[in-house]
Amino acid sequence: EAQVTQNPRYLITVTGKKLTVTCSQNMNHEYMSWYRQDPGLGLRQIYYSMNVEVTDKGDVPEGYKVSRKEKRNFPLILESPSPNQTSLYFCASSSNSLGTIYFGEGSWLTVV
Amino acid sequence: DAKTTQPNSMESNEEEPVHLPCNHSTISGTDYIHWYRQLPSQGPEYVIHGLTSNVNNRMASLAIAEDRKSSTLILHRATLRDAAVYYCILRDPFSGGYNKLIFGAGTRLAVHP
Repeated sequence: EAQVTQNPRYLITVTGKKLTVTCSQNMNHEYMSWYRQDPGLGLRQIYYSMNVEVTDKGDVPEGYKVSRKEKRNFPLILESPSPNQTSLYFCASSSNSLGTIYFGEGSWLTVV
Repeated sequence: DAKTTQPNSMESNEEEPVHLPCNHSTISGTDYIHWYRQLPSQGPEYVIHGLTSNVNNRMASLAIAEDRKSSTLILHRATLRDAAVYYCILRDPFSGGYNKLIFGAGTRLAVHP
């Protein structure tokens, strides 16, 4: 079954404590990306990757880092989380620039 | 980047057809029109896409205006499971079709029994 798997699904953390949200896809997709979804602001792209070792900033990259060392994994790193990073995060993948985008189930992150 | 405009919300009764409109007056010749939907507490999922001609699949139909400045997603018989936020998105394969996705607010569809 085609899947994009994110972990953790729910997390409450404190300001400044580094955390990583993992994302893995089993479809051998080249394209992966991270979005955050906030009330009234819709889905906004944080970072994307077009292949292994190729990453670039989306619309709201500040405060986030990513890496793409393997094709299947694309972790999102918050080096020093702040309360304004409280949000619902989605990982997504696609086979090419027009392929169907598959989204994970989302990770609810609360920073206090 | 070309933007889309959708109504904030729409309502339908179960078993009735639903027509969800989308305006994209600044669409470029290479923009594909994609529709995704987001069910409650889930990530968005693909519905349908097209370039110029009308398209049908098992989920829905997509009617594209001749001038391509608007399109309509058609759910032929709405079910309770179709209650979701529907997003109309433009994707240009020659201009960052993947990395330039812009999700607007979408249309929240309510389906009544």
